[in-house]
Amino acid sequence: QSVVTQPPSASGTPGQRVTISCSGSNSNIGSNYVYWYQQLPGTAPKLLIYRNNQRPSGVPDRFSGSKSGTSASLAISGLRSEDEADYFCAAWDDSLSGWVFGGGTELTVL
Amino acid sequence: QVQLVQSGSDLKKPGASVKVSCKASGYTFTSSGMNWVRQAPGQGLEWMGWINTKTGNPTYAQGFTGRFVFSLDTSVSTAYLQISSLKAEDTAVYYCARVDRDPLTGLYYFDYWGQGTLVTVSS
Repeated sequence: QSVVTQPPSASGTPGQRVTISCSGSNSNIGSNYVYWYQQLPGTAPKLLIYRNNQRPSGVPDRFSGSKSGTSASLAISGLRSEDEADYFCAAWDDSLSGWVFGGGTELTVL
Repeated sequence: QVQLVQSGSDLKKPGASVKVSCKASGYTFTSSGMNWVRQAPGQGLEWMGWINTKTGNPTYAQGFTGRFVFSLDTSVSTAYLQISSLKAEDTAVYYCARVDRDPLTGLYYFDYWGQGTLVTVSS
């Protein structure tokens, strides 16, 4: 069972906006930055968001991140079929002195 | 471009050992630490620890001491994960992941990942 909780699945239709949540605690999300990764089927995870809400170069601005307290969210606007993937969040945990990950959310584009 | 290419899937019997490789390219290997992450079937990701590619010093996360060894061959820009005395519960996909330093905060985070290596332990 993951220390950080994500919904196992999410879905939306093309063009819609979807949000994926990531819930943790004071020792991880509450006191450290959150990172988001996209994993397309059969490929390596790819960095989508760093430092809560920053996009690496090359990541479309349809992807955005936010954090409030011990929770974080990834929003995808203008949903496209190629966004169908697993998404997971990560944060450093001060109590564990290690990285913790959300269980991952499988996004389906209907 | 940065690439981390891992070795292929492996099937091992209980009690055997396995060595997973992670070959880096597109950057100076010793400039970034290398982490290992496990994903058991139907489970989330677990951080196993990391190895300092400059010094070779490994750090193991809780639950990954004893049977797990991180090592390097800097001459071929490759990191290794060796697991000994394999058990059925070691069946998982193992990822290597590079960390980079955020220049604004000085903190490190995973920026590139390998494609994963499935290790299956079965008699």
